[in-house]
Amino acid sequence: KAGVTQTPRYLIKTRGQQVTLSCSPISGHRSVSWYQQTPGQGLQFLFEYFSETQRNKGNFPGRFSGRQFSNSRSEMNVSTLELGDSALYLCASSLVIGGAYEQYFGPGTRLTVT
Amino acid sequence: AQKITQTQPGMFVQEKEAVTLDCTYDTSDQSYGLFWYKQPSSGEMIFLIYQGSYDEQNATEGRYSLNFQKARKSANLVISASQLGDSAMYFCAMREGSPSGTYKYIFGTGTRLKVLA
Repeated sequence: KAGVTQTPRYLIKTRGQQVTLSCSPISGHRSVSWYQQTPGQGLQFLFEYFSETQRNKGNFPGRFSGRQFSNSRSEMNVSTLELGDSALYLCASSLVIGGAYEQYFGPGTRLTVT
Repeated sequence: AQKITQTQPGMFVQEKEAVTLDCTYDTSDQSYGLFWYKQPSSGEMIFLIYQGSYDEQNATEGRYSLNFQKARKSANLVISASQLGDSAMYFCAMREGSPSGTYKYIFGTGTRLKVLA
């Protein structure tokens, strides 16, 4: 069974630009969660999607948004990038919503904002 | 206030010995979940073990066990027979819910474990 895949793996953007990251969950998994990991703030929960609907949301500004498609693939968008958005963005999938014990992470997308 | 506290930024352990990574948590929810993840230098988070707040038995998964002490709000990870491949960052995390059915996931700052040959 293929694991969670994230594209691209690395990305360099400049301030003010926007970026879209993609996550394909494990086949059959319907929940996709996104996390931001930085050295200063650690791992922080962004949001969780289930059946194309955002079900949970962390404390991030509205510049961070996402969506989920009918095949459970998810995208995350960050608009008007700031230097502080440089981070490793991790996506995780699980069978059910809130299924933390079944949550499987992808390799992450490392975003650098210059 | 920190919801998840990992007080050991770094730990060393000799190969084949056991090691305990500490984690304390703070929540007012009755229903919550606690779990541990391993993050090697490659960056991928690897699920290790899960403990539900209502589980009476401590969770075990192979060489990993979770020492759950609910009254003390601690959920320490015990790795038995350490291997060189266990060298990584370890994160304790909690999922807490709300009456509306939404969840929040909170991670600790992590403990970097180094296994010595």
